[in-house]
Amino acid sequence: ETGVTQTPRHLVMGMTNKKSLKCEQHLGHNAMYWYKQSAKKPLELMFVYNFKEQTENNSVPSRFSPECPNSSHLFLHLHTLQPEDSALYLCASSQEAEIYNSPLHFGNGTRLTVT
Amino acid sequence: SQQGEEDPQALSIQEGENATMNCSYKTSINNLQWYRQNSGRGLVHLILIRSNEREKHSGRLRVTLDTSKKSSSLLITASRAADTASYFCATHREQGAQKLVFGQGTRLTINP
Repeated sequence: ETGVTQTPRHLVMGMTNKKSLKCEQHLGHNAMYWYKQSAKKPLELMFVYNFKEQTENNSVPSRFSPECPNSSHLFLHLHTLQPEDSALYLCASSQEAEIYNSPLHFGNGTRLTVT
Repeated sequence: SQQGEEDPQALSIQEGENATMNCSYKTSINNLQWYRQNSGRGLVHLILIRSNEREKHSGRLRVTLDTSKKSSSLLITASRAADTASYFCATHREQGAQKLVFGQGTRLTINP
């Protein structure tokens, strides 16, 4: 059982909808991440939070808006998405973002379909 | 540019055989990590090997790292049907943005 929980597991939304993805980690970690996994593409890092502060925004469009209220919770707010945004969105956590030898712990992802 | 590239993209073997997957990268690294992903699930960390290490073992897994060739290999011995998954290498770069960069993965199928 993963220590990182993502909800919902599946989400279908229209291009005009607003929805949010939620991630919670029970590992006592201080860094949290959002990744996007599309078919036949490498995993793409979207955002990094270290001690609740955003330390990286990997040129992500503004229709994706992250929120990290504390070190255990991470949200990804979605609005006016495009069909090409359909993907598996993975949340991960690690001890700290700048500790190089700290592996990532992933949730099982949210499968997002934009219609 | 993509840092880690796995080879082959897909591998199908019989149960009990050994599976070898390779990863090449381009820049100097702090460490290299291997992850497994079962279909529809998140990635699971398998092994981390530091840049000053050459080989590491964990159960049926053996990872080697050759920094002179900028390559790593993951060997799974005595494969089982449950090993069917995608395997990704990820490199933590020595300089530049401090983040893990993942390859596209190798899809491993173990046939019973």
